[in-house]
Amino acid sequence: DAGITQSPRHKVTETGTPVTLRCHQTENHRYMYWYRQDPGHGLRLIHYSYGVKDTDKGEVSDGYSVSRSKTEDFLLTLESATSSQTSVYFCAISVDRGSTIAYEQYFGPGTRLTVT
Amino acid sequence: DQQVKQNSPSLSVQEGRISILNCDYTNSMFDYFLWYKKYPAEGPTFLISISSIKDKNEDGRFTVFLNKSAKHLSLHIVPSQPGDSAVYFCAASEGGTASKLTFGTGTRLQVTL
Repeated sequence: DAGITQSPRHKVTETGTPVTLRCHQTENHRYMYWYRQDPGHGLRLIHYSYGVKDTDKGEVSDGYSVSRSKTEDFLLTLESATSSQTSVYFCAISVDRGSTIAYEQYFGPGTRLTVT
Repeated sequence: DQQVKQNSPSLSVQEGRISILNCDYTNSMFDYFLWYKKYPAEGPTFLISISSIKDKNEDGRFTVFLNKSAKHLSLHIVPSQPGDSAVYFCAASEGGTASKLTFGTGTRLQVTL
């Protein structure tokens, strides 16, 4: 258990509204990731962070932004939610190993987002 | 362009028998491979991994085999147990500083009594 929590766990929102999902970790690992899981696609990387204020895009970043003002929190924002962003969102961390990080990622419990 | 493919969406196996889950990849830059297990309403959990310098890695009932020339890996579960019923994802990494993972679409394993 890497001490990862996600909030909210479920959310229903209307098209065009902003939505922010929160990922919180208790172990101060540098690398954090946001994925979305959709049928037929597996998990796809949205954005990741390698430290406070250091973020980069993943495979499916359009329509999403992220922020990391504290080591323990990584926020994912949908500026104007669309129905195509209905999905299950997972946060993950990689464990620090000195100057490198482990390949293995550990995931939070997920947030189910429905955009109507 | 699906760089990691799991061509079997589902698999049913009797308890006590062997479960074999397959995964193919197209990116020659992948150098580390992982298997994750996912139960409904939970996040994926790391199961086992293998580096590209090896062709086999074993952990209890779970063994992963890597065939680099065929760009194929498989996960063997022996013996299969009802608690193994879950969705299994194959993932791959090119390494580098961010260790980003590319996932397959998953295979749903059902272990029957």
